[in-house]
Amino acid sequence: SQKIEQNSEALNIQEGKTATLTCNYTNYSPAYLQWYRQDPGRGPVFLLLIRENEKEKRKERLKVTFDTTLKQSLFHITASQPADSATYLCALDPFGGTSYGKLTFGQGTILTVHP
Amino acid sequence: DTGVSQDPRHKITKRGQNVTFRCDPISEHNRLYWYRQTLGQGPEFLTYFQNEAQLEKSRLLSDRFSAERPKGSFSTLEIQRTEQGDSAMYLCASSWGRDEQFFGPGTRLTVL
Repeated sequence: SQKIEQNSEALNIQEGKTATLTCNYTNYSPAYLQWYRQDPGRGPVFLLLIRENEKEKRKERLKVTFDTTLKQSLFHITASQPADSATYLCALDPFGGTSYGKLTFGQGTILTVHP
Repeated sequence: DTGVSQDPRHKITKRGQNVTFRCDPISEHNRLYWYRQTLGQGPEFLTYFQNEAQLEKSRLLSDRFSAERPKGSFSTLEIQRTEQGDSAMYLCASSWGRDEQFFGPGTRLTVL
């Protein structure tokens, strides 16, 4: 069966360090992979999207990699700040037809950046 | 445009009652999605629309759930004969085609 795993439920790091979050999937051939941030009591907020033919995407302090051979995406936040503390969700978007946009989410990783 | 809005933000109901939630998407978006999220889990897909057409409904969704998007604008999600297992955050999102999805603040449902 299809499975998406974010390999840490919680990650604690010191301010200024790089946070690295992992998303692994099995039995799935996503066309797009997306990362979202969610704060308590709020809806997810889109951060980055990477396509299956792309290896890496960057946006300011954020970097995403996508390895379709390993079936893994890594999400990096450099020079982390306490304001980066939140739950980070990866989401897979299937191939083809009209099924695009039907996202399957991982369970999320709670990131805490300590001052 | 102020983004995706959902109403109500919180709903407490007794088991067996019907509830209806509303979602107003970003006006130029043609796609509208409903997800459900329970504590400690990521959002789970329920159903989605392209304009007014409902494209797919999750197999996990029982017949007690129904959604509409009349005229391709706002959407409603109705749950009939609520059960305690329906307690969750119900999230609505919208997008233009395959672009990123913009989520609303959610409606938190508690079934007593």
